[in-house]
Amino acid sequence: GENVEQHPSTLSVQEGDSAVIKCTYSDSASNYFPWYKQELGKRPQLIIDIRSNVGEKKDQRIAVTLNKTAKHFSLHITETQPEDSAVYFCAASIGPGTYKYIFGTGTRLKVLA
Amino acid sequence: GAVVSQHPSWVICKSGTSVKIECRSLDFQATTMFWYRQFPKQSLMLMATSNEGSKATYEQGVEKDKFLINHASLTLSTLTVTSAHPEDSSFYICSASGPDSDSNYGYTFGSGTRLTVV
Repeated sequence: GENVEQHPSTLSVQEGDSAVIKCTYSDSASNYFPWYKQELGKRPQLIIDIRSNVGEKKDQRIAVTLNKTAKHFSLHITETQPEDSAVYFCAASIGPGTYKYIFGTGTRLKVLA
Repeated sequence: GAVVSQHPSWVICKSGTSVKIECRSLDFQATTMFWYRQFPKQSLMLMATSNEGSKATYEQGVEKDKFLINHASLTLSTLTVTSAHPEDSSFYICSASGPDSDSNYGYTFGSGTRLTVV
C-alpha cells in the first residue's frame, strides 16, 4: 500500500540555524503535499503545502521543495527560533483530487536557545 | 478561516461503555470529514472517511462495528467508540474539508479528544 517515509525522527538545531526534514512517498498519483506542525497536546496546524505542478514554494522562513521524479519533498526552516520546536508531519494525498492523506511518522524538532 | 470544533477534549470512561465524540465545522459546510487516531509520540493514522449522507469508508484493520461514524449533516460528524477497552485509549482527532476555492485540498483539524478507558 501507499506509504510516506519521514526523516529524521528527531532533529536538534541551534537557534538561528536551518532545519531540513525530508519525506518520500510511494504513490505516483499523489499530487498534494501538506506539512503540519503539532505542538504538545494540540491539534496539527497546516504550515505550508505544495502541489505537484510546482517545484518549490516559500513562505517567509519556511519553504518546501518537491521532486516528483524521485518522489521526494522536503521542508526547510531557516533562522530557526525556539517557538519552532514542535513535531512536524509531512503528508501526501492518496491519488489525484482527493482529500485523503497518508502522514509521515513525524519529526520532533528542538531548537536550542 | 475554517474552524473545526471537537468535543469533548478529554474523556475517561469505564471499560465496556461507549463514548461519543463530536466533530463540527463551525463556519463552513464539510462535505467530507476524516477521523484519525494518534498514539503517544506517533503519527496520525486514518481510521475512516465520512461523507455526509452516506456510509463511512473504513481503513483496513479498523472495525466498523466498534467505531461507529455518523455524518448526518454537513456540519456534524460523530465517532462512537463502542464497548471501549483500555487498548482503545488514544488521541482521536477529526478533520474536515469543504468547498474552498483557495485551498481545495487542505483541511482543518479539530482540537482532538483524549480518550482514557479504565
